[in-house]
This record gives sequence, C-alpha cells and structure tokens, in this order.
Amino acid sequence: AQSVAQPEDQVNVAEGNPLTVKCTYSVSGNPYLFWYVQYPNRGLQFLLKYITGDNLVKGSYGFEAEFNKSQTSFHLKKPSALVSDSALYFCAVRPRNTGKLIFGQGTTLQVKP
Amino acid sequence: DAGVIQSPRHEVTEMGQEVTLRCKPISGHDYLFWYRQTMMRGLELLIYFNNNVPIDDSGMPEDRFSAKMPNASFSTLKIQPSEPRDSAVYFCASSFLINVAALNTEAFFGQGTRLTVV
Repeated sequence: AQSVAQPEDQVNVAEGNPLTVKCTYSVSGNPYLFWYVQYPNRGLQFLLKYITGDNLVKGSYGFEAEFNKSQTSFHLKKPSALVSDSALYFCAVRPRNTGKLIFGQGTTLQVKP
Repeated sequence: DAGVIQSPRHEVTEMGQEVTLRCKPISGHDYLFWYRQTMMRGLELLIYFNNNVPIDDSGMPEDRFSAKMPNASFSTLKIQPSEPRDSAVYFCASSFLINVAALNTEAFFGQGTRLTVV
C-alpha cells in the first residue's frame, strides 16, 4: 500500500538551532515529493517539492529538503530555526501514474526562544 | 486567481441533517481533492477527481458521504444524514498533474470548512 510516514509527532528545537523534520515513503516508482505547512486555523501552504535532479531542494522561508532514493526519505531541514516557524508540517507524495496526493500524519514543530 | 474557494467557512448543524460543502478550484486545474482533518486521524484523502471524473473514492468513510463535480469550476461534498463523528475540518485542493516540464505538480488548498455536528 502507498503510504507516507512522519515518525515524530512533535519536534522541539531552540531558536537559532538547525531543525530536521523526518519523512519516509512507500510508493513505487519515482513519485513527486512535497512539504506543506499549516498554521492554526489555516489551510495547508506549499513549501517545496522534489521532481527530479538535485537531491537538495530549496523552498520558501529558508526551508530545504533532502531526497534520498535508497532510503526513500525526504527530510525537511532549516539551518537556523525561528520562533515563527512553529507550525504543523506535512510531507506528501504523488505517484506519477495516478495523480493521487497522499499525506503523512503531520509533525508539530515547536521552536522556543 | 483568488485561489481555491470553499464555502461555508463554518457550519454547525444538528445530527441527521444534510450538509453540503462547496469548492471552487483554481481555474485551469484538472485535479480536485477532498480531505478531512481531525486530531485523531490527521489528514485523510476522501476522494479525488481528474477532469471532473471521480478517480478514487476509497477514502469516503460511508455511504452517507457523496461528492460530485458537475463542471470544472465546482465541486460539492455532501453528508446525509450527518452524525457528530463527522465533525472535522474539510479541505478542498486543486492542481495540475504535470505540464511539459513537470513543474506545476503541487496542490493548492482552500481555507477549509469547519463542520460541527451537534
């Protein structure tokens, strides 16, 4: 079955420290990969995506993500966290042959001053 | 474009009543998704359409749920009869699949409809 796993319900980091939010997937082929962020009482906002090419992709607000094909992972990273980065983050995959868009369960990022 | 537009933003209804949620996708998008978000279950894909045709409705929880897309600019999600356990935030999203360079594959979400069934 196609699935996305975000193993951590919550990640806590201090402001200014690097952050990583983990994501692994189980989808055959070479799916498209995405990260979204959700602030309270808002819809999901697109952050970045991997389509092909360079394994390190850069997105909005200083976020980047590293694609690892052998580990089927797509971890979200940021070199220096801000308190305003505190939100709910979702990883998603989209198989190239179906168009379906499957989300992980989400990880709450808490950045403390 | 104003983005994906959902209505109403909030809906409170009594158990047993019919509820209809509405979505206007971004013009030109050929995929439309309906999701449900709850604390317990996270973000669940209910159904998605391609070119107005339902492709996968395996996430629709029960026969009480139905979705339609009569044209490229409008979709509805209906719950009849509604139950308290249907209380959740329902999101609509739309996207292209790929263009020539596979650049525009991300989905754009509406602000959601918060449904409360009492």
